[in-house]
Amino acid sequence: QLQLQESGPGLVKSSETLSLTCTVSGDSIRSSTYFWGWIRQSPGKGLEWIGSIYYSGSTYYNPSLKSRVTMSADTSRNQISLKVSSVTAADTAVYYCTTHPTISAPCFSWGQGALVTVSS
Amino acid sequence: SNVLTQPPSVSVAPGETARITCGGKIITTKNVHWYQQKPGQAPVLVMFYDSDRPSGIPERFSGSTSGNTATLTISRVEAGDEADYYCQVWDSSWEPSYVFGTGTKVTVL
Repeated sequence: QLQLQESGPGLVKSSETLSLTCTVSGDSIRSSTYFWGWIRQSPGKGLEWIGSIYYSGSTYYNPSLKSRVTMSADTSRNQISLKVSSVTAADTAVYYCTTHPTISAPCFSWGQGALVTVSS
Repeated sequence: SNVLTQPPSVSVAPGETARITCGGKIITTKNVHWYQQKPGQAPVLVMFYDSDRPSGIPERFSGSTSGNTATLTISRVEAGDEADYYCQVWDSSWEPSYVFGTGTKVTVL
């Protein structure tokens, strides 16, 4: 059974770079044909797609965030990473790692989420 | 960018039917997916490609679309259905992206 686990610092200073890792278990990101995505949710707010990556490295980013977002895949560690640069308080959110079988398919699996707070 | 509009809240008595709508021009040409999110938990997919139900989701949940509106229907509502619900589509326009609806809080009276 596919499991996703987010990890990373829970507190990031304003203007710095937020870094999160999603560790995948139950399948290899290299052998699967899935896309791996990040979605976030600010406190009390709705869901916002950040971006998705294919194991080969092809990426799709939210147009409103793409100037600050970088996603990568480490097939040797079976991990997906997310970096968001120049963070502000508006980037405070629970960040979810997800997976979807095609770029347009829904997210069938989700991690439990990781809360990241941006402090001034 | 495309916007998906949902009513902020829907209230329903146990045993009754809840209908959650999701409106937007893009719905006329794209498939809609629906997620349920309970407090403190990650979202769970409850409907995909307009009307397909993932395994494990009760038959009480159904989906449909008409024109520019998608509807998630929960029949014979139970207390455990109380949650936030979000619709979602893949916008493959000039800058492709996932678009989520504004979310609907379903309250079971």
